[in-house]
Amino acid sequence: GESVGLHLPTLSVQEGDNSIINCAYSNSASDYFIWYKQESGKGPQFIIDIRSNMDKRQGQRVTVLLNKTVKHLSLQIAATQPGDSAVYFCAEKGWGSNYKLTFGKGTLLTVNP
Amino acid sequence: DARVTQTPRHKVTEMGQEVTMRCQPILGHNTVFWYRQTMMQGLELLAYFRNRAPLDDSGMPKDRFSAEMPDATLATLKIQPSEPRDSAVYFCASGSPNRDRGYEQYFGPGTRLTVT
Repeated sequence: GESVGLHLPTLSVQEGDNSIINCAYSNSASDYFIWYKQESGKGPQFIIDIRSNMDKRQGQRVTVLLNKTVKHLSLQIAATQPGDSAVYFCAEKGWGSNYKLTFGKGTLLTVNP
Repeated sequence: DARVTQTPRHKVTEMGQEVTMRCQPILGHNTVFWYRQTMMQGLELLAYFRNRAPLDDSGMPKDRFSAEMPDATLATLKIQPSEPRDSAVYFCASGSPNRDRGYEQYFGPGTRLTVT
């Protein structure tokens, strides 16, 4: 079946640098995407979402970019901090899927001080 | 601040025993999800409810797993009998997803289950 996957399973950056986490999706009918952050021992926490009629959305220190042509989603974190170290998941909702989200495998981000 | 709560946080049990996990969704949320997370499979949706009615449990092994919502403040996930391959972290999430508001799900802290 169709699924959401990640290009990089791990990413290591220096504190203060910008981070980019990538996600490839295969369901061209997906109409909503969301990024979650999961710290060790905790449940996933919402970061930012984007609808398929947009190509960019910004939050506090984070930006999500959506390229529907190549079915690619990215999360940019500005001025990465040690507290950003976590696993990041992208998730998609297929059009007409009745509220279900399909999650990718996750990318581990490590921020070095 | 409103949170999803789950009990127990940790459970160690022997193969063949019954396990019941509980979840209290955020007050006012009308949709409750159960997920299982393992290193191999990642985050898998087991079942979900909307207004307490089961909408989809296709991700759940039917012979041993059951999920219910006795009332709006309690969701349960039961495994009987448990097997070592059920060892995982089980998450409950709640939300009120719709086209206007979006589809954000709020996750609980999880129940870490170990079946020996």
